[in-house]
Amino acid sequence: GQNIDQPTEMTATEGAIVQINCTYQTSGFNGLFWYQQHAGEAPTFLSYNVLDGLEEKGRFSSFLSRSKGYSYLLLKELQMKDSASYLCAVRDQGGANNLFFGTGTRLTVIP
Amino acid sequence: DSGVTQTPKHLITATGQRVTLRCSPRSGDLSVYWYQQSLDQGLQFLIQYYNGEERAKGNILERFSAQQFPDLHSELNLSSLELGDSALYFCASSAEGQTYGYTFGSGTRLTVV
Repeated sequence: GQNIDQPTEMTATEGAIVQINCTYQTSGFNGLFWYQQHAGEAPTFLSYNVLDGLEEKGRFSSFLSRSKGYSYLLLKELQMKDSASYLCAVRDQGGANNLFFGTGTRLTVIP
Repeated sequence: DSGVTQTPKHLITATGQRVTLRCSPRSGDLSVYWYQQSLDQGLQFLIQYYNGEERAKGNILERFSAQQFPDLHSELNLSSLELGDSALYFCASSAEGQTYGYTFGSGTRLTVV
């Protein structure tokens, strides 16, 4: 089975940096994904890690430690439009390519 | 537009009724996934189809069923609806070997009254 934990809510200030953590326990692992979801809208892909280390993409970076079952999403230079839920998802190891999602972290960016 | 099309966008129906949600995957994607997202809940995996065949099953109730047709569009059938089935239902599609996970449709918001 899969168990994925994220903080429920976070608040940060415009222009600041915020780190959203995700811990997971899975029976098989084939990659970790971060998605952004604005309220009532579809999740959109942000990042993918399958090897340990940091992946950087513009203002967003994602880190993975497979031995610790731990990932974080780092958002820099926060903007008001970054207010959204951030979903951590783990892909299983089987051929089905299924993603299992955490409950998400609702980030509120304040002026 | 993500390329994954879901219809209808909104659906209001009464308890005990049956509804069908439709999904057309992105061009070229063979896999279709259905997820349920209840208020303040995470995305719950329901079922996956690959090229017309069921490939994986998650927490899908027996009252729910799905299929994928030869043109690769998929339908999720929800029957004997209960108030607790009110949720956003997302469809996603993917291609073999892609590294960026899924592409999601905009969802169908089902309200059972």
